[in-house]
Amino acid sequence: ETGVTQTPRHLVMGMTNKKSLKCEQHLGHNAMYWYKQSAKKPLELMFVYNFKEQTENNSVPSRFSPECPNSSHLFLHLHTLQPEDSALYLCASSQDSRAETQYFGPGTRLLVL
Amino acid sequence: GIQVEQSPPDLILQEGANSTLRCNFSDSVNNLQWFHQNPWGQLINLFYIPSGTKQNGRLSATTVATERYSLLYISSSQTTDSGVYFCAARGGAQKLVFGQGTRLTINP
Repeated sequence: ETGVTQTPRHLVMGMTNKKSLKCEQHLGHNAMYWYKQSAKKPLELMFVYNFKEQTENNSVPSRFSPECPNSSHLFLHLHTLQPEDSALYLCASSQDSRAETQYFGPGTRLLVL
Repeated sequence: GIQVEQSPPDLILQEGANSTLRCNFSDSVNNLQWFHQNPWGQLINLFYIPSGTKQNGRLSATTVATERYSLLYISSSQTTDSGVYFCAARGGAQKLVFGQGTRLTINP
């Protein structure tokens, strides 16, 4: 238990569906992150939020839309995804975006049909 | 940006063996971390070690920043050590970059 929770843990969706991934951290951190982990590829940083402000967007397609309503919650809204978007989506948090250590949630395993 | 290379990509050992995992990075770093990802996908931070040596039970890590590499040592391996070990590094104000990982399998 790292103090970072993610729901749902598994998700299957069609290409025309709209769904949202949720991340919550109970560590009092101010920075939150979304990562994508595809088979045979390193973890890819998608978005960074620091004190609720988005500070990084690493050329992520607009079909992924993040939302950070407060420092404890982070969402990733999904719409019109492609099969190649199937992956493990990991949320992480840290004290702030320059902090030493990031703590990861268990991930949401997404399958796009 | 910084490049992170890990070796070996796969390692299969018997329970009780010792192992050494390597992480090479291409530039000066101000942040280097080792993570273990278990078979269910959970990533656990093992060490924050931009330089020097740290030990935690059967695990230890050493980073030689001047030579741009870090090593993770696992002694007396157990089956629960199986999984993928990632090294991640950051230089300056850049993002944290992960290596491809080393998949460790410990057989009983």
